[in-house]
Amino acid sequence: DTAVSQTPKYLVTQMGNDKSIKCEQNLGHDTMYWYKQDSKKFLKIMFSYNNKELIINETVPNRFSPKSPDKAHLNLHINSLELGDSAVYFCASSQGTSVRGAQYFGPGTRLLVL
Amino acid sequence: RKEVEQDPGPFNVPEGATVAFNCTYSNSASQSFFWYRQDCRKEPKLLMSVYSSGNEDGRFTAQLNRASQYISLLIRDSKLSDSATYLCVVKRLGKRDDKIIFGKGTRLHILP
Repeated sequence: DTAVSQTPKYLVTQMGNDKSIKCEQNLGHDTMYWYKQDSKKFLKIMFSYNNKELIINETVPNRFSPKSPDKAHLNLHINSLELGDSAVYFCASSQGTSVRGAQYFGPGTRLLVL
Repeated sequence: RKEVEQDPGPFNVPEGATVAFNCTYSNSASQSFFWYRQDCRKEPKLLMSVYSSGNEDGRFTAQLNRASQYISLLIRDSKLSDSATYLCVVKRLGKRDDKIIFGKGTRLHILP
């Protein structure tokens, strides 16, 4: 009965590689997000999609490209990985874009770039 | 000045005690407020939304003070399982999109 799921849970890779993280939610929500939590535990929003349309795009290097094939999925592709990309990436979803809507998070993907 | 600020703690509190912590926000246009808890190596989980009139959920009470621009979380009769990091979240409408800002969190340790 997983609500927001992410794969993989752990990702260890070499600098310069390209990798993808997948996210799926079965809550029937129409808005999905990607967050990055760095080593200092600061959680920062990267992207938000509503009904497959990008609505939030914070200052993120263009090596990061989100893709939403449908409103239940939001994948994150990262090109040319750098050491500083090492972090925990959380996917989240909410119903609507109302400022009142709370978000529900996936378990996170721990990315380590060597 | 950061838009959302929390005392990082840690707050070390004996089991059964009452503990409270605040979160201040700098943008008066902020519209929605939430408390999340995050356990070590886990995802943030929604604890409660914070309403203007204040709201209570069991041992937890959240308050919003718009005049002074802070929200608070009070935990009564604290349990060992309350040990976690508590994240304050503030949302507001931006010019083009919603702004969602997380505080850095307050660490709480409940001591047996």
